[in-house]
Amino acid sequence: AAGVIQSPRHLIKEKRETATLKCYPIPRHDTVYWYQQGPGQDPQFLISFYEKMQSDKGSIPDRFSAQQFSDYHSELNMSSLELGDSALYFCASSSGVGNTIYFGEGSWLTVV
Amino acid sequence: GIQVEQSPPDLILQEGANSTLRCNFSDSVNNLQWFHQNPWGQLINLFYIPSGTKQNGRLSATTVATERYSLLYISSSQTTDSGVYFCASGFGNEKLTFGTGTRLTIIP
Repeated sequence: AAGVIQSPRHLIKEKRETATLKCYPIPRHDTVYWYQQGPGQDPQFLISFYEKMQSDKGSIPDRFSAQQFSDYHSELNMSSLELGDSALYFCASSSGVGNTIYFGEGSWLTVV
Repeated sequence: GIQVEQSPPDLILQEGANSTLRCNFSDSVNNLQWFHQNPWGQLINLFYIPSGTKQNGRLSATTVATERYSLLYISSSQTTDSGVYFCASGFGNEKLTFGTGTRLTIIP
């Protein structure tokens, strides 16, 4: 079965650079979520989209933005990167109320 | 927002032992999921279990929604069961709120 696809899997950036992460949800899933997991931490919700509209927002820095496109894939843009942005970023998708939320394998971002 | 607490924070067991992990949540939820995060960081779905009991091989889970807790049982532990187990809960298709996890180490 198709899973949530994230790219790139690993990314190394320097401070103050910009990074873009991509997410391809499971086909026919209408909701996409982004999470950030710092070292030794639990995943923290950043932002979600339902049918290409932002549906909820968590503790996402103003330097970060995200959108969902007409083909339902989503991108997380991170600018002015800081060392503290180094984390594992997960994308997840679901097909609506009362259904399992499936996570991708994550994108490792290292800021040096 | 929903608060999710997990216990114990750490658990070290001998191979072959059984274990019970607990998750308490603060509000009525209709989404509760258990995940295993392996050493490579992958979050593996174990159970979607907003209520009732489910079993999958050596793993089973029970959620008592009215009392706001869920239990994950692992029987006959294997070294490959090592990792961090997360409980996460939510409402509708809103975001999942994760607990702080239980780090399980299985010793050969």
